[in-house]
Amino acid sequence: DAGVIQSPRHEVTEMGQEVTLRCKPISGHNSLFWYRQTMMRGLELLIYFNNNVPIDDSGMPEDRFSAKMPNASFSTLKIQPSEPRDSAVYFCASSFFPSRGSRSGTGELFFGEGSRLTVL
Amino acid sequence: KNQVEQSPQSLIILEGKNCTLQCNYTVSPFSNLRWYKQDTGRGPVSLTIMTFSENTKSNGRYTATLDADTKQSSLHITASQLSDSASYICVVSANNAGNMLTFGGGTRLMVKP
Repeated sequence: DAGVIQSPRHEVTEMGQEVTLRCKPISGHNSLFWYRQTMMRGLELLIYFNNNVPIDDSGMPEDRFSAKMPNASFSTLKIQPSEPRDSAVYFCASSFFPSRGSRSGTGELFFGEGSRLTVL
Repeated sequence: KNQVEQSPQSLIILEGKNCTLQCNYTVSPFSNLRWYKQDTGRGPVSLTIMTFSENTKSNGRYTATLDADTKQSSLHITASQLSDSASYICVVSANNAGNMLTFGGGTRLMVKP
């Protein structure tokens, strides 16, 4: 398996522009996570999907952020409009948790290589 | 509030030396604890998982310990190599559906020749 695949790896955009980050999870995994990492705040959970359904989006900063998972093999994180404070590395991770809706368990998170976003 | 605190924030050691990273947590009810290694510019990768009944577990030169009573874990690296230079992140999982993974801030390790 190729692992979790994220695109783009790097994105530089201007304030106010729309940004779309993409993620392909590992086949067979039932859970997908979007994280944001900055030097100041470390890794922060933005949103979590289980079986393509958003379970917890309490970490999404504000209405400018939205995430979708139309099927088991694809997810997007969209920022519209983008702001300089959104500059960070955005990681997608997938895992297999044994029971539907469960957010705990021994499931190992497999992270993608991240998308580094710079908003000027 | 569930929290995971790691220390030190950063560490510089010479190649070949040993080091120990600390993780204190207040996550409850505890399910498991993982140590992840994150190389610069890469995503984190799991090194080891500790469950409630496990006190120590090794993965090559990495040895993790867990004291569930004091809610502390450590990651010991033996005979460090330049490739050990990375951030090490402690992640604790709660055993209920009302919470999930809590990440520590990480320890940034630099191994110098």
